[in-house]
Amino acid sequence: DTAVSQTPKYLVTQMGNDKSIKCEQNLGHDTMYWYKQDSKKFLKIMFSYNNKELIINETVPNRFSPKSPDKAHLNLHINSLELGDSAVYFCASSHSSGAYEQYFGPGTRLTVT
Amino acid sequence: AQTVTQSQPEMSVQEAETVTLSCTYDTSENNYYLFWYKQPPSRQMILVIRQEAYKQQNATENRFSVNFQKAAKSFSLKISDSQLGDTAMYFCASHQGTGANNLFFGTGTRLTVIP
Repeated sequence: DTAVSQTPKYLVTQMGNDKSIKCEQNLGHDTMYWYKQDSKKFLKIMFSYNNKELIINETVPNRFSPKSPDKAHLNLHINSLELGDSAVYFCASSHSSGAYEQYFGPGTRLTVT
Repeated sequence: AQTVTQSQPEMSVQEAETVTLSCTYDTSENNYYLFWYKQPPSRQMILVIRQEAYKQQNATENRFSVNFQKAAKSFSLKISDSQLGDTAMYFCASHQGTGANNLFFGTGTRLTVIP
C-alpha cells in the first residue's frame, strides 16, 4: 500500500552519465514535487508540477528535467551528472487545494563518482 | 518567498520527558499552513502534525502538540513522554495556502532521546 514510491532507492554512477529516477503516487493527488536534500540535510524544492503548470526553481540547472507521463507519475531526468549532484532526492505529492500536506517517497540516494 | 528558521541544530531529551522544538517563520500571506515533519535514520519523511493559520486552536496528535503564536510567527513542537523511536531529524515547514506551491523547510533539529 505504498503511497509514494521511488525507484531506485540507491543510485551510484559516474560523472557525465545520464540517469533517471522514477516516482509514482497512488493517493489521487494532482500535484507532485521533487526536492533535493544535501549533505547537511537541507531540503530544497526543485520542481512542482500539476496538470496545469510546471514551476521550476530557478537555481536548478537545466541538466535536471521533470517528465510527467500522467498525474500519478513524475520522473526526474538528470543529464551529464556532476559530483555536486550527489544528494538524496525526494519525490512528494499533494492536492493543490485543501490541506496541502505533502506525502514523501522514501528518497533516492544518488552518488556520483 | 517564505523563510523558516529552526535555531536549535541539536537537542536531547531523557526518555519519558518532554521536549520543545522551536520554529519561527516569515510570510506575507494571510492564509498559510505549517507542518512538522520527522525524518528518522531510515530517511523517510513522515508528517507529524499540521496547523492551519486561520485556526487559533493549537493542533495536537497524540503525544505531539504545537504552540502556534501567529503574531509572533512562532510554531514550536512539543513532544510529551518522549520515546526512543522519536529520535530523528525534525523539520518545520510552511506552505503558502494557494495552489500547487511547495513547502519551505527549516534547517532541521536533530533530536536524540536518551534511554
